Amino acid sequence: QSVLTQPPSASGTPGQGVTISCSGSSSNFGGNTVNWYQQLPGTAPKLLIYSNNQRPSGVPDRFSGSKSGTSASLAISGLQSEDEADYYCAAWDDSLNGVVFGGGTKLTVL
Amino acid sequence: QVQLQESGPGLVKPSGTLSLTCAVSGDSISSSYWWNWVRQPPGKGLEWIGEIYHSGSTKYNPSLKSRVTISVDKSKKQFSLKLSSVTAADTAVYYCARTVYRQGDFDYWGQGTLVTVSS
Repeated sequence: QSVLTQPPSASGTPGQGVTISCSGSSSNFGGNTVNWYQQLPGTAPKLLIYSNNQRPSGVPDRFSGSKSGTSASLAISGLQSEDEADYYCAAWDDSLNGVVFGGGTKLTVL
Repeated sequence: QVQLQESGPGLVKPSGTLSLTCAVSGDSISSSYWWNWVRQPPGKGLEWIGEIYHSGSTKYNPSLKSRVTISVDKSKKQFSLKLSSVTAADTAVYYCARTVYRQGDFDYWGQGTLVTVSS
């Protein structure tokens, strides 16, 4: 059971938009920022969004993040086939005094 | 370009100790970053193991704390993971990663190494 809660799956068609949610609590999202990762099959996770809504250099602006209270979302616009991957949210948890991850969401591009 | 490279045995016997090393290149291990270990059991999600600063200060996942030791060797530009009393549940791909803000923001990752616990 992951500390952060994500839907196990999401899907969309090419060109569409999709949103992946991540639910936390006051001990993680309350005072800390949210990060999102994309993991393609057989590869290491890649930082997609940090500090709630910041994109590292090289990440397309089709990817955006937001946080409100104890919930966060990753939005992907203009879906492409190469976006098919597992997506994870992560944050620091003050109660556990460590990093916690969501269980991951498998995105299928139909 | 920062690069992280894990190395170590791919097979460990039950009750033994898992030992991995992460070599850092393209950046100083003494920079103001924290160096982490994250693992992923086959077909499952990510789990943070712990982190270390170049000063030697560490933080561990409470669920693994009694079995984990992370150390740093600045002269060799590497940091290491030891996990004792392993069982089949410790079978996973182990990643090393760097964090900037210590908020779960891992900006550079190694490619990962699969460690199987089996007799």
